[in-house]
Order: sequence, then structure tokens, then C-alpha cells
Amino acid sequence: DIQMTQFSSSLSASVGDRVTIACRASQSISSYLNWYQQKPGKAPKLLIYAASSLQSGVPSRFSGSGSGTDFTLTISSLQPEDFATYYCQQSYSSPPWTFGQGTKVEIK
Amino acid sequence: EVQLLESGGGLVQPGGSLRLSCAASGFTFSNYAMSWVRQAPGKGLEWVSVISNSGGSTYYADSVKGRFTISRDNSKKTLYLQMESLRADDTAVFYCAKEGGNIVGAIDYWGQGTLVTVSS
Repeated sequence: DIQMTQFSSSLSASVGDRVTIACRASQSISSYLNWYQQKPGKAPKLLIYAASSLQSGVPSRFSGSGSGTDFTLTISSLQPEDFATYYCQQSYSSPPWTFGQGTKVEIK
Repeated sequence: EVQLLESGGGLVQPGGSLRLSCAASGFTFSNYAMSWVRQAPGKGLEWVSVISNSGGSTYYADSVKGRFTISRDNSKKTLYLQMESLRADDTAVFYCAKEGGNIVGAIDYWGQGTLVTVSS
């Protein structure tokens, strides 16, 4: 099975900061990489699919990049509502799909 | 508006069984693959299982293979997860999830989740 690694379990940032969250796959997954945001007590929300495509309704300050094994989620200017946990997920070839361990973005 | 409403969670003893249901509305249920994703208390997301739109193909995480069975009834717009031989480490919030059409595996809608607690 493909393993997904998010190198940081948490990071601290301030409102207005540019934030990048990294995710690495244990093998090439082309662009089959999705990003989710989860707030406490809530279901996850799809932000980015296919590595760089913005899900409808998601603010343009969110962007994704990468292909192969290395991927990045970027928040260009962190807003108060962006403090949450972010997960990457691979959906390459056939299941099982796998999630990264999550990166919690906290207030500095 | 897409809605996914899970039910069937609760407290069960180790070795017991439970059946989760997810009632879908607001979209053409039979057109989309559906998944179950779980989250243990204080932990990350774990993909559990997916079923194709027709129900003809199913896949499972290694951690539940042979114990859980995913199924769907397109006439009732309902997704199911039959869970057998439950263990303490199956304790989690279980989310019903709809795959979007833009990329296989990307989940564009989630239910609110139902808590399964396995304990004696």
C-alpha cells in the first residue's frame, strides 16, 4: 500500500502569514493527491483535488502543487478561519486510498 | 443540497457486530462511488472502504478486511457498513462519504459522522 507522510504534525503561524504544508508519497502517484481541511468536531472539507485543482467554493488563497511523490498545500495569507488540521490523501490507481497523518495549523 | 445522514453507531462489546447506515439525498446516488472513513478519538483520518456506483466493486483497508462489509441499495439511496468481530481499536467516528466526479477517490461531501465505541 502507498504510505503518505506529512512531515510536520503541527506548525504555528500568524494571521497574514504564507503557510506551506508538505506531503510525500512512498511511490509515485502522478497527480492523484487531494487535500482536506478539518476543524474540531466537524467533518473534513475538500480543498484541492488532483494536486492543484481548487474545489468549488474554496477561497483562492488555497493552492496545491506537486506531482510524483512530493506535494505542497499553500495558504497565501492565513486567515483566522484557516486554523485547522490539514490532511493529504492519495487516490492513485486502485484502493486502498490513504491519508497523511495530518498537520495542525495553530495560532502563533 | 447534498446530505449524508449516518446512523447505527453506539456502544458494542468486543467481538460484537454493528451495522451502520447512511441515507443520501440531494444527488443521483447511483452515479457515485461511496466510501466510509473513520477517525479514532484524537487521531487522524483512516480510509476504511469504498464501493463503486453499481455496487459491483468493493475495496477495504487491510485493518478491516474480512471483518467489515460495505454495500449499497441504490433504490433506497442508502450506504451500509456491516461490522463484525469488533475490537477496541475500531472505536472511532465513522463518516459516510461521497466521491466527487472530478477525480477518483476525492471525497467532496461528508456526513456528520456516527460514533462507534467498542468496550466491555
